[in-house]
Amino acid sequence: GAVVSQHPSRVICKSGTSVKIECRSLDFQATTMFWYRQFPKQSLMLMATSNEGSKATYEQGVEKDKFLINHASLTLSTLTVTSAHPEDSSFYICSARGGLSYNEQFFGPGTRLTVL
Amino acid sequence: GQSLEQPSEVTAVEGAIVQINCTYQTSGFYGLSWYQQHDGGAPTFLSYNALDGLEETGRFSSFLSRSDSYGYLLLQELQMKDSASYFCAVSSHNTDKLIFGTGTRLQVFP
Repeated sequence: GAVVSQHPSRVICKSGTSVKIECRSLDFQATTMFWYRQFPKQSLMLMATSNEGSKATYEQGVEKDKFLINHASLTLSTLTVTSAHPEDSSFYICSARGGLSYNEQFFGPGTRLTVL
Repeated sequence: GQSLEQPSEVTAVEGAIVQINCTYQTSGFYGLSWYQQHDGGAPTFLSYNALDGLEETGRFSSFLSRSDSYGYLLLQELQMKDSASYFCAVSSHNTDKLIFGTGTRLQVFP
């Protein structure tokens, strides 16, 4: 149980385009989902906290107009990187909290974004 | 603000024991978690401490001292597959989020 999926796993796009990443909790209802960004050999940096049916809470320094988050249901959250640029190239990981294990976050496999 | 410090890298041989330390500064501390991440993969949950003391889960144990704002992850009987990055993460009262430490890269040699 407690499986989180992400799609796509890898995406390459041209500068200026927008990319949508989906995060799904497959076998539990996720009351809260989180989006992280991770650069090579660095830690996970929390970008935003997403609660179903409400606006996401962004961490300081994260542009909410650039990283659009939608949490339309208890099993799906999406992150859209708008007008992507090469500096947005990174590993984007979502996690979900829910079910019986409140203290644990379940992570998706991540999405490798490369902006040319 | 919040900050967590870990050693950047640790090396050991198969069968050995390794301790990865984590010191933290945070307001409203609630608990300390540990996650393992292999290269290119997702973090996976290892353990969680909310109270002082040692929690044991198989070859892995985690310790917390709230008064010292310190914890560690102990890995016993190391195996090659344990080569990965290990992150401590704190959770705080009144928030759902985890703040991750700087990460420790563990390399296990034969």
